[in-house]
Amino acid sequence: DADVTQTPRNRITKTGKRIMLECSQTKGHDRMYWYRQDPGLGLQLIYYSFDVKDINKGEISDGYSVSRQAQAKFSLSLESAIPNQTALYFCATSRGGSTDTQYFGPGTRLTVL
Amino acid sequence: GEDVEQSLFLSVREGDSSVINCTYTDSSSTYLYWYKQEPGAGLQLLTYIFSNMDMKQDQRLTVLLNKKDKHLSLRIADTQTGDSAIYFCAERDDSSNTGKLIFGQGTTLQVKP
Repeated sequence: DADVTQTPRNRITKTGKRIMLECSQTKGHDRMYWYRQDPGLGLQLIYYSFDVKDINKGEISDGYSVSRQAQAKFSLSLESAIPNQTALYFCATSRGGSTDTQYFGPGTRLTVL
Repeated sequence: GEDVEQSLFLSVREGDSSVINCTYTDSSSTYLYWYKQEPGAGLQLLTYIFSNMDMKQDQRLTVLLNKKDKHLSLRIADTQTGDSAIYFCAERDDSSNTGKLIFGQGTTLQVKP
């Protein structure tokens, strides 16, 4: 079974709709992240959470919100989706510490029409 | 700000060695990573190197780090068609204590039979 799972894997929606992307992990990691990938670009950090009570904005948080429901769950919401939020979204987890290494989920492909 | 640069495309013949190059700007990064992304899949951690190391070898993979020039490379020996993918270099942003990774744009490796 995959350690980091994301649902849905693909989603097509319309401008103005509210969308929630979910991430679950069985790795027991405290840290969780949401990244966005656009074609031809690397990944950009949207939000990150070091534990259930800790939520922080990344470099491109405008238009997004998150919820850390439990250590194992971290969801990303688009309150009112717009076409330039069409992208591939990745969740990642890490243990923290000096050798902190991030492990990624399979991604959610979101298309906003 | 921090920046990570990679060449966008590399084509090799099966059985040859592949060398993917990366330059980064943040001299305070303690860890640098290589991730592999196959079509339709998430990012798979290939290997990482600590900044006080010059080289790390793991089976067919060799990572070379030139800290003075801020240059990182990934060599894949005996490249196979299954190695065709996008390879991302990333540095850990230790200056901000966010644990975030700063990614390059990715290098598409095409392996011809």
